Amino acid sequence: EPEVTQTPSHQVTQMGQEVILRCVPISNHLYFYWYRQILGQKVEFLVSFYNNEISEKSEIFDDQFSVERPDGSNFTLKIRSTKLEDSAMYFCASSVGGTGSNQPQHFGDGTRLSIL
Amino acid sequence: DAKTTQPTSMDCAEGRAANLPCNHSTISGNEYVYWYRQIHSQGPQYIIHGLKNNETNEMASLIITEDRKSSTLILPHATLRDTAVYYCIVRARIGGNKLVFGAGTILRVKS
Repeated sequence: EPEVTQTPSHQVTQMGQEVILRCVPISNHLYFYWYRQILGQKVEFLVSFYNNEISEKSEIFDDQFSVERPDGSNFTLKIRSTKLEDSAMYFCASSVGGTGSNQPQHFGDGTRLSIL
Repeated sequence: DAKTTQPTSMDCAEGRAANLPCNHSTISGNEYVYWYRQIHSQGPQYIIHGLKNNETNEMASLIITEDRKSSTLILPHATLRDTAVYYCIVRARIGGNKLVFGAGTILRVKS
């Protein structure tokens, strides 16, 4: 069964450094998402992306964050200057349809980001 | 999106059916009910979704009341590997596609 894959599984970065989290969505999916989960807290929506544009973003997704689909298969989340509070699990998800569709989102197993 | 209410935790004996309730009394006509689960910090796993009819797939059944104000996820023969946090999420089909996760129900399957 096709799945969303994320790399690396664990990323350790010094505060203030840039980090790029990578995701390969399911191949026929058109909508892509990033969520995060701080340890012990709820899963939180960050951003959705369709047709090479951000379609929705949360208050968490400030100017330090950016997303990109650099080629036909990868979807990346960049944090420009990491802060201690960025430490979390970051989950990528994809779906066939988005707004106007009831198709479910499928998640990867996440990247654990640890900021030192 | 409508708010959902789920019990904090539930226990279930291995091999028995696990029935997980969800209240979504403010659900509107264009909102679907989705169920996901999360096994120990893995990514949320999609289980099933529905609008108003009962649904069944290889993982579970979803029973939605006629007034759509509540639903029950049924795992027919729970195993130890079904121990997880189960999330009931209501999402509008139109106008936004993010999933809003609550705290969910911690299901413990015991031998």
